[in-house]
Amino acid sequence: GQNIDQPTEMTATEGAIVQINCTYQTSGFNGLFWYQQHAGEAPTFLSYNVLDGLEEKGRFSSFLSRSKGYSYLLLKELQMKDSASYLCAVRDGNYQLIWGAGTKLIIKP
Amino acid sequence: GAVVSQHPSWVICKSGTSVKIECRSLDFQATTMFWYRQFPKQSLMLMATSNEGSKATYEQGVEKDKFLINHASLTLSTLTVTSAHPEDSSFYICSVAGGGDTEAFFGQGTRLTVV
Repeated sequence: GQNIDQPTEMTATEGAIVQINCTYQTSGFNGLFWYQQHAGEAPTFLSYNVLDGLEEKGRFSSFLSRSKGYSYLLLKELQMKDSASYLCAVRDGNYQLIWGAGTKLIIKP
Repeated sequence: GAVVSQHPSWVICKSGTSVKIECRSLDFQATTMFWYRQFPKQSLMLMATSNEGSKATYEQGVEKDKFLINHASLTLSTLTVTSAHPEDSSFYICSVAGGGDTEAFFGQGTRLTVV
């Protein structure tokens, strides 16, 4: 079966750096996405990786290793507004999006 | 990116009644739209793929007679929850997905509460 694993919850301090990991096993691979979701709202797109390596976008960076079935989202200079759930999603061989359960990130002052 | 509008954003209904949720692609002709359901503290779960002009494709375990999907035009898909029960209370989200490296674009979501 297809599976995506992320930690359920993480806590970090305002101004610090946090890395959220995602491992996946899917039937085929056509890209990995990271989304941010605040409670009661729809997910918003953060990043996309299809080739190995690091993609940097402001305070957020995302890394992919296809051979290891592994990705991480790196958030720098954490702000209180970054408190949210972060969803990892993989587009499989049929171009379906398979979602992880999400990581709830709690930012403390 | 595509703009997707979902309506209503929240609805409370009595058990046994039906509720219709609309999903509109405002600036993108979407031959395919996706309907998700998300229970508290759980992942987005794909319910069905809505195909313009043809029958929707339902995921395993999703009752097609309970969750009616109509995709009559390239800009509108509707999800009707028929004979709603309290266990149907959830957050329902639609999305339009582009191909290639395009991300999925989401509607605002609908919070359904069945009392």
